[in-house]
Amino acid sequence: NAGVTQTPKFRVLKTGQSMTLLCAQDMNHEYMYWYRQDPGMGLRLIHYSVGEGTTAKGEVPDGYNVSRLKKQNFLLGLESAAPSQTSVYFCASSTRRGINEQFFGPGTRLTVL
Amino acid sequence: GENVEQHPSTLSVQEGDSAVIKCTYSDSASNYFPWYKQELGKRPQLIIDIRSNVGEKKDQRIAVTLNKTAKHFSLHITETQPEDSAVYFCAASINTNAGKSTFGDGTTLTVKP
Repeated sequence: NAGVTQTPKFRVLKTGQSMTLLCAQDMNHEYMYWYRQDPGMGLRLIHYSVGEGTTAKGEVPDGYNVSRLKKQNFLLGLESAAPSQTSVYFCASSTRRGINEQFFGPGTRLTVL
Repeated sequence: GENVEQHPSTLSVQEGDSAVIKCTYSDSASNYFPWYKQELGKRPQLIIDIRSNVGEKKDQRIAVTLNKTAKHFSLHITETQPEDSAVYFCAASINTNAGKSTFGDGTTLTVKP
């Protein structure tokens, strides 16, 4: 039982490049989330999904797109990276049954030059 | 939307002392309040949570209190140890809102030996 995993762990991009971050969970959770964490600003929700094939915008969605083609995977895409997207990205998942804790992945440290 | 404020942003205590971190929230519909601990370079992990039908919850050296009328909740750590040093995040969630959590900006706790 790996929980929530993220790939890659680190990435350096040049301005304008694109990339996709992959999140996978093996807990059969319905809900999945993408956050970014910047110094002194806590965790801010980018996009989230309540189930396979559905996604919704969070607090800071601009510049990002997501897809959830399979229940266990949640992809975060950057079409044209900007230095302002330099951050640590965390994926999380939770069960739909009741309201419960979110389980986080190990994070992806992204630097955009 | 929900707004969560967390204080203080940094807290330094001597080993063995108590530490208190306070959070306020704005949406009276919030009914789930988790606390996460994030060690340096690691993922956030749940340490304790409280639901709106409970005023206080304790787990060994950690306790959380909730005042629904005042819309604030607090984390109490007694007999602090150096391994308690980390960033602590509070959050507020509404169970009818896809389990989305709004996080505070975090408190960096340093326990001096």
